[in-house]
Amino acid sequence: KQEVTQIPAALSVPEGENLVLNCSFTDSAIYNLQWFRQDPGKGLTSLLLIQSSQREQTSGRLNASLDKSSGRSTLYIAASQPGDSATYLCALNRFGNEKLTFGTGTRLTIIP
Amino acid sequence: KAGVTQTPRYLIKTRGQQVTLSCSPISGHRSVSWYQQTPGQGLQFLFEYFSETQRNKGNFPGRFSGRQFSNSRSEMNVSTLELGDSALYLCASRGTTYNEQFFGPGTRLTVL
Repeated sequence: KQEVTQIPAALSVPEGENLVLNCSFTDSAIYNLQWFRQDPGKGLTSLLLIQSSQREQTSGRLNASLDKSSGRSTLYIAASQPGDSATYLCALNRFGNEKLTFGTGTRLTIIP
Repeated sequence: KAGVTQTPRYLIKTRGQQVTLSCSPISGHRSVSWYQQTPGQGLQFLFEYFSETQRNKGNFPGRFSGRQFSNSRSEMNVSTLELGDSALYLCASRGTTYNEQFFGPGTRLTVL
């Protein structure tokens, strides 16, 4: 059974700093890994998707990496802003199965 | 292109009642998945529909059911509501490019 862990559960950093969020998974037979952000009481916004054959994806100030052999993905946020404050979730699925298994989430607070 | 829409956004029901939630995927998307989000259990997969057929089902009791129509719109139904069914219910539609999944804003269900 796939287990996905995100550590730390909460993180506070001053505005302008670069930061890394971690996602660990136990089963390397993944097809896609997606990073989402969720604002309080809202739905999920897709940030980046990494296919199993890829090592990283970039979008603006965000960069996500994937290392299947070590069961890890990281989300790098450059030059953090107060608007980045949200809960960040990683999720992955197996080939031929749309079910996403979600991590436990990291609640990020950017201090102005 | 319009995003995933869910109606209603908020619902208050009492124990024993039943409820129907609706999800309209992004135009052209044929796969719709449903998730339950609670503070204690996080995001849990309910089921997935593709071309009106349920392809995957999570570990939820039979009180939770769903269906998909020919226009890809999906509904989920919860019968004999329990207090523990209070949650944010999210639906996601899957794109055809890299199988990225996009979530709607959710329906907040409160069972009294």
